Amino acid sequence: DQQVKQNSPSLSVQEGRISILNCDYTNSMFDYFLWYKKYPAEGPTFLISISSIKDKNEDGRFTVFLNKSAKHLSLHIVPSQPGDSAVYFCAASGSSNTGKLIFGQGTTLQVKP
Amino acid sequence: EAGVTQFPSHSVIEKGQTVTLRCDPISGHDNLYWYRRVMGKEIKFLLHFVKESKQDESGMPNNRFLAERTGGTYSTLKVQPAELEDSGVYFCASSPGSLYGYTFGSGTRLTVV
Repeated sequence: DQQVKQNSPSLSVQEGRISILNCDYTNSMFDYFLWYKKYPAEGPTFLISISSIKDKNEDGRFTVFLNKSAKHLSLHIVPSQPGDSAVYFCAASGSSNTGKLIFGQGTTLQVKP
Repeated sequence: EAGVTQFPSHSVIEKGQTVTLRCDPISGHDNLYWYRRVMGKEIKFLLHFVKESKQDESGMPNNRFLAERTGGTYSTLKVQPAELEDSGVYFCASSPGSLYGYTFGSGTRLTVV
C-alpha cells in the first residue's frame, strides 16, 4: 500500500506561469515532508521541506503548503522557468525520526519557453 | 566538499550473476541510506546505516540482497543471484543527522537481462 501518492505523472506549464505539484499521503504519523527535484542521470536534490506544525513554507520561487486535515501537500513554483523542468518527488518522514523517507512516484514537470 | 559517490554508474548483468554496488558517502556523515527506484515508480527505502551498524533494514526485498558498511565509511550492496525484477536505479544517500542534510548520489542503473 503506497503511503505517499503523486497522482499526476506529468505537468506542462508555460514559462512565467505558476506550476502546482500535488501530493497526498495516508499516514497521519508523518511529521515532516520534503520535495526533491531530479534531473536525468542525477540523484534527487533537496528543494524545500515543511514540518507538520506549519502549513506553509516559502523559499524564493518555491512554496510548499500543507493541509493536514486533508493529508495533502502541494509545491508551488512561481514564476516557472525552463530550468525547472525535472521530475519532482514528494517525500514524508514518520515520527520515529529515523531518517527513512517514503517517496511518491514523482511528477515530471515541463516548463515551455 | 565531495558529494556522495556511487560506482558503477551503470551495470548490465545476466540473471543469476552477482553484482556489487558501492557508495562513498560525504566524509563525516554517519548516516548512510540505500534506496531503489524500479521502472519509473516511487523511490523505495532499502536500509539505513548509522556508522557501521544497520539501523533499519526493513526495506530489503529478500535475502539475495546484502549490504555492508566497512568501518563506517563506504558501503556496498551486493545482489546475489540477480533476478530480472532487481533492475532499477539504486541510490545512496548520506546525512550528518537523521533528517537533515540528506545528499543523494547520482545512482547506479542496474539492468538484469
